[in-house]
Amino acid sequence: GAVVSQHPSRVICKSGTSVKIECRSLDFQATTMFWYRQFPKQSLMLMATSNEGSKATYEQGVEKDKFLINHASLTLSTLTVTSAHPEDSSFYICSAGLAAPQGEQYFGPGTRLTVT
Amino acid sequence: SQKIEQNSEALNIQEGKTATLTCNYTNYSPAYLQWYRQDPGRGPVFLLLIRENEKEKRKERLKVTFDTTLKQSLFHITASQPADSATYLCALVLNSGYSTLTFGKGTMLLVSP
Repeated sequence: GAVVSQHPSRVICKSGTSVKIECRSLDFQATTMFWYRQFPKQSLMLMATSNEGSKATYEQGVEKDKFLINHASLTLSTLTVTSAHPEDSSFYICSAGLAAPQGEQYFGPGTRLTVT
Repeated sequence: SQKIEQNSEALNIQEGKTATLTCNYTNYSPAYLQWYRQDPGRGPVFLLLIRENEKEKRKERLKVTFDTTLKQSLFHITASQPADSATYLCALVLNSGYSTLTFGKGTMLLVSP
């Protein structure tokens, strides 16, 4: 149980275009989902916390107008990287947390974004 | 400043030995500490959680200790196998955050046959 999927797994896009990444919880309902970014040999950096039916909470330094997050249902959250630039190239990972505040998070397989 | 430190150098051990990974933190007061495994190009997989009032937690070949005085957690894998080779991440759950995880950079473990 507690499977999280992400789509696409890899995407290459041209500078200036937008890319949408989907995160789905397959066998449970996730009121809260999280979006992370990971650069090579670096730790996962939390970008935003996404709550179903409300606006996402962004971490300091993350531009909310550039990284649009939508959490329209209990099983789907989307991250749209708008007007992507090469420096946005990274590994984007979503996760879904279980009910308890101390609960573990279940991560998706990640999306490798390359902006040319 | 707040820091979570894990050994940046890879840990190389022989199959069958016990691997011990360290997570140290400064200027945090975590309510919980979690350990995850991450394989290359994949998302992390949850392994174990330990609360601030727990000293030790075990799950099969895994053992985690948590010393809030030393501000340190140790992660042990006994009878290690080549399949245990991966990067292991520690993550803090802070008092002020709802399920928000703050991750260390991870330590790569390489188990040779």
